[in-house]
Amino acid sequence: DIQMTQSPSSLSASVGDRVTITCRASQSISRYLNWYQQKPGKGPKLLIYAASSLQSGVPSRFSGSGSGTDFTLTISSVQPEDFATYYCQQSHSTILTFGGGTKVEIK
Amino acid sequence: EVQLVESGGGLVQPGGSLRLSCAASGFTFSDHYMDWVRQAPGKGLEWVGRIRKKANSYTTDYAASVKGRFTISRDDSKNSLFVHMNSLKTEDTAVYYCVRVSSGWYWFDYWGQGTLVTVSS
Repeated sequence: DIQMTQSPSSLSASVGDRVTITCRASQSISRYLNWYQQKPGKGPKLLIYAASSLQSGVPSRFSGSGSGTDFTLTISSVQPEDFATYYCQQSHSTILTFGGGTKVEIK
Repeated sequence: EVQLVESGGGLVQPGGSLRLSCAASGFTFSDHYMDWVRQAPGKGLEWVGRIRKKANSYTTDYAASVKGRFTISRDDSKNSLFVHMNSLKTEDTAVYYCVRVSSGWYWFDYWGQGTLVTVSS
């Protein structure tokens, strides 16, 4: 199975900061990489698909980049509603896998 | 509005069985692959398995951790998704999410609110 490694596992940020989360695949997955946001007690929400495409309704401060094995999710200016846990997920192989998650907390 | 509503969770003893259901609305259910994803308490997301649509013969795939114990099925006439879970283990304790696979390739564009399964004696 393809292993997905996210870093950091947690971070603290102030409102307005630029936040970057990385996701590394154990083998090349082309651009088959998606990002989700999860808030406590809720199901995840799709943010970015196919590495860099913004899901409808998601604010433009969210962006994704990368291909092959290395990917990033960037929040250009983090807002109070963005404090949550973020997961990457590969869809290159039949067996899907998620990264371990990155918790973004308020500093 | 797309809605996915899971039900059927609860407390079950190790070795027991349980069937979860997901009622879908707001979209043409039969046009989409559907998956289950779970999340153990305080842990990350784990893909459980998928069922394809009729055009793909309703074929299924499973994570190694549940293969041979879980069976995913669907009833397109009732817009419903199911997972039959047998030989449950304590490590199957989790919130189980019903998820819709996009028409593109291959992301989860809608999630249910989840149903909690607790496997404990």
